[in-house]
Amino acid sequence: DSGVTQTPKHLITATGQRVTLRCSPRSGDLSVYWYQQSLDQGLQFLIQYYNGEERAKGNILERFSAQQFPDLHSELNLSSLELGDSALYFCASSPWEGQLASPLHFGNGTRLTVT
Amino acid sequence: DAKTTQPPSMDCAEGRAANLPCNHSTISGNEYVYWYRQIHSQGPQYIIHGLKNNETNEMASLIITEDRKSSTLILPHATLRDTAVYYCIVRPRGGSARQLTFGSGTQLTVLP
Repeated sequence: DSGVTQTPKHLITATGQRVTLRCSPRSGDLSVYWYQQSLDQGLQFLIQYYNGEERAKGNILERFSAQQFPDLHSELNLSSLELGDSALYFCASSPWEGQLASPLHFGNGTRLTVT
Repeated sequence: DAKTTQPPSMDCAEGRAANLPCNHSTISGNEYVYWYRQIHSQGPQYIIHGLKNNETNEMASLIITEDRKSSTLILPHATLRDTAVYYCIVRPRGGSARQLTFGSGTQLTVLP
């Protein structure tokens, strides 16, 4: 158990809809990262938050957004969903930035299916 | 970030040591080598990381060559549960962007 909790485990929705994925980081971790893994793309970095602020952006679509709340949990919002958004979405967390070599620890993901 | 090169697949007999190579010839002095694995659609699992010295923990050993251009992850006694995709990742020590960049990894299959 990595200590990173993601809900829900599975999500099935229709094209055009909007969903919210939730992530609770490990206790004490200030950074949260979101990744997408689809069958043909591998693990793709989407976005990172540190202590409530956006720190880095990867290949995140404009239809997607994220935020990190004061209690450090994070939500990834996906809107105007398309079939191609079907994927596994992983959240990871790491400690404060002073521990620069600290590894990321990943949750077990949310499987999103868009029909 | 420095790029890594790994063989796409490897087999290993159960109970034997699994030695997974990684080439990172363009690594710079402030970059660490990390290893993760992913067991069939589960979240990537952290295994070990190192800078220049060899490292060992309860899961594996990491051997980094003296010139730091390559490394080997060693699973000393592979079991069927070690069947997974193994990722070798190079990550800078500093900077505000702390994400990991995953490549294609090595599919390790442990055979009974």
